[in-house]
Amino acid sequence: GAVVSQHPSWVICKSGTSVKIECRSLDFQATTMFWYRQFPKQSLMLMATSNEGSKATYEQGVEKDKFLINHASLTLSTLTVTSAHPEDSSFYICSANKDPRKNIQYFGAGTRLSVL
Amino acid sequence: EDKVVQSPLSLVVHEGDTVTLNCSYEVTNFRSLLWYKQEKKAPTFLFMLTSSGIEKKSGRLSSILDKKELFSILNITATQTGDSAVYLCAVEFRNTDKLIFGTGTRLQVFP
Repeated sequence: GAVVSQHPSWVICKSGTSVKIECRSLDFQATTMFWYRQFPKQSLMLMATSNEGSKATYEQGVEKDKFLINHASLTLSTLTVTSAHPEDSSFYICSANKDPRKNIQYFGAGTRLSVL
Repeated sequence: EDKVVQSPLSLVVHEGDTVTLNCSYEVTNFRSLLWYKQEKKAPTFLFMLTSSGIEKKSGRLSSILDKKELFSILNITATQTGDSAVYLCAVEFRNTDKLIFGTGTRLQVFP
């Protein structure tokens, strides 16, 4: 397997503030990481693909200026939820692909964001 | 429109029962199908299937893919309470790293 660490696991913030979530691959390098959003009892919805050294690729309907993604190194990608509002409250999960030849994505433990 | 559909949405069984979870898909440029188990937080990888008719097995879990009929099944025999989880099916596209996930099947195993 492979270890992906996500931090923080839970964050509560006031409306209007920005929140940064970190995703790290601990025992492998990942040129590509993925950010998902999951609503209660629903499946994972891909938000964006994070590419090391270049801009992220966002899925249709995901606001780039709202969800800022930075993939500064081969082991770290960050997702910043800017000016968070209650409707941004959700479970955010990242994943990383250890072997580009086999797209088995390994997931972080997720971050539960609650915006008051 | 590409989609992955899982059934049933939820399943309640007793320990020792055998269950079959279904995943059907309609996608362009199919490359592989993956099964994950999600207990409370991070989905954990179970199987990756790329070829039709070849069963993958891990302990009490097994899975098979039918690329002609566009579906996969995940079997769990002699279920245990620790098997309680949401089982997610995902399809990978050729020429991209993206996965599309189904809505999942919530399995509850009671003693």
